Amino acid sequence: DAKTTQPPSMDCAEGRAANLPCNHSTISGNEYVYWYRQIHSQGPQYIIHGLKNNETNEMASLIITEDRKSSTLILPHATLRDTAVYYCIVRVAEYMNYGGSQGNLIFGKGTKLSVKP
Amino acid sequence: DTGVSQNPRHKITKRGQNVTFRCDPISEHNRLYWYRQTLGQGPEFLTYFQNEAQLEKSRLLSDRFSAERPKGSFSTLEIQRTEQGDSAMYLCASSLVGREVGLPGYTFGSGTRLTVV
Repeated sequence: DAKTTQPPSMDCAEGRAANLPCNHSTISGNEYVYWYRQIHSQGPQYIIHGLKNNETNEMASLIITEDRKSSTLILPHATLRDTAVYYCIVRVAEYMNYGGSQGNLIFGKGTKLSVKP
Repeated sequence: DTGVSQNPRHKITKRGQNVTFRCDPISEHNRLYWYRQTLGQGPEFLTYFQNEAQLEKSRLLSDRFSAERPKGSFSTLEIQRTEQGDSAMYLCASSLVGREVGLPGYTFGSGTRLTVV
């Protein structure tokens, strides 16, 4: 899987948008961008994923650049409960991985987001 | 279905003892993964199963570690002759592979925290 680069930490004021960047300059054409987060003492939680189009769900928005070499996760109105480590991962999609050994989630160190009142 | 369940949540053991952890995945998921996480690091992949078949094992999985998934349902991870370096959070995740893209990724459990004294 392609490697990603994320800033080790970021701060955000409560109620403001949190924009978390991720660089993935060696991403392959069949690799998706996935975002997970891990709140202290819990397992990682899936947030969103995308291939090349921008995606939005009830948790966040994912903006992927046209060349797909970077992306940004946006939490539109950050709350104190969004304080967590956010992981950006690139990998082949689950449906392309049936029976194969590639595509396992490989985590880096992520970005520690601190939402402050 | 209440998600991925892991037991026990915490385990303290003396060096040299054997320990076993259990993971109950989401019932319709056909893949099950084990990860290990130490303080300040992202989760590290250990092994995964597709149904009852163990398809991949990381180099991190020494011969003291063994995982099983009988009948393709729950899974157990056993560590024999524990060492202090085995102290970590052991995370289990499950996913459904072979369907259309757009499904969320892995669902993680809350983990089992192992302390070897």
